[in-house]
Amino acid sequence: AQTVTQSQPEMSVQEAETVTLSCTYDTSENNYYLFWYKQPPSRQMILVIRQEAYKQQNATENRFSVNFQKAAKSFSLKISDSQLGDTAMYFCAFTHWGAGSYQLTFGKGTKLSVIP
Amino acid sequence: SQTIHQWPATLVQPVGSPLSLECTVEGTSNPNLYWYRQAAGRGLQLLFYSIGIDQISSEVPQNLSASRPQDRQFILSSKKLLLSDSGFYLCAWSVPGRTIAEAFFGQGTRLTVV
Repeated sequence: AQTVTQSQPEMSVQEAETVTLSCTYDTSENNYYLFWYKQPPSRQMILVIRQEAYKQQNATENRFSVNFQKAAKSFSLKISDSQLGDTAMYFCAFTHWGAGSYQLTFGKGTKLSVIP
Repeated sequence: SQTIHQWPATLVQPVGSPLSLECTVEGTSNPNLYWYRQAAGRGLQLLFYSIGIDQISSEVPQNLSASRPQDRQFILSSKKLLLSDSGFYLCAWSVPGRTIAEAFFGQGTRLTVV
């Protein structure tokens, strides 16, 4: 079974600074997807960034980028130039790639506070 | 464009009462549909998923059931709520006929059982 671990329950960062959220996962699969979702106080889950395991290049999306270390099974999220609107719960998630992949496995989340 | 609607946003129900949460998707046909529960201090737990009408799979044995009366409608129900059913419930959909590369979530329902 796949597991996703986020070891930082809470983090804070000064506005305009950079912060990195950690995520590790465990799987025996070779092909899979990894995601970071953001859940602001409104509770809407929003996809921030996605990484396909077969791609060596780290995914980037504007101020958001990941450090994907497949051998170490690590998938951290870096937020640059933090903004007040980045305050939210951030969830790391995993799904394997193949027929019948209906399960998104989530970590417990990291609560990020951006301080003005 | 596709949209997902989930209601109600909040609900307070007494123990032993029935439950019905609704979710509808617009702008796509035969979506994969999901119900997740988020309990305090825990990640999201998949409760049910459906790849078509009359095709519903349960991931966790519980006091809840799901139905899909129409292609784009997914309902989460309970005949008698327990205190442990309290939590935040999220409906989601993904592209039909494909593995879940990306899920789109509704705005969630905060259920408090008292």
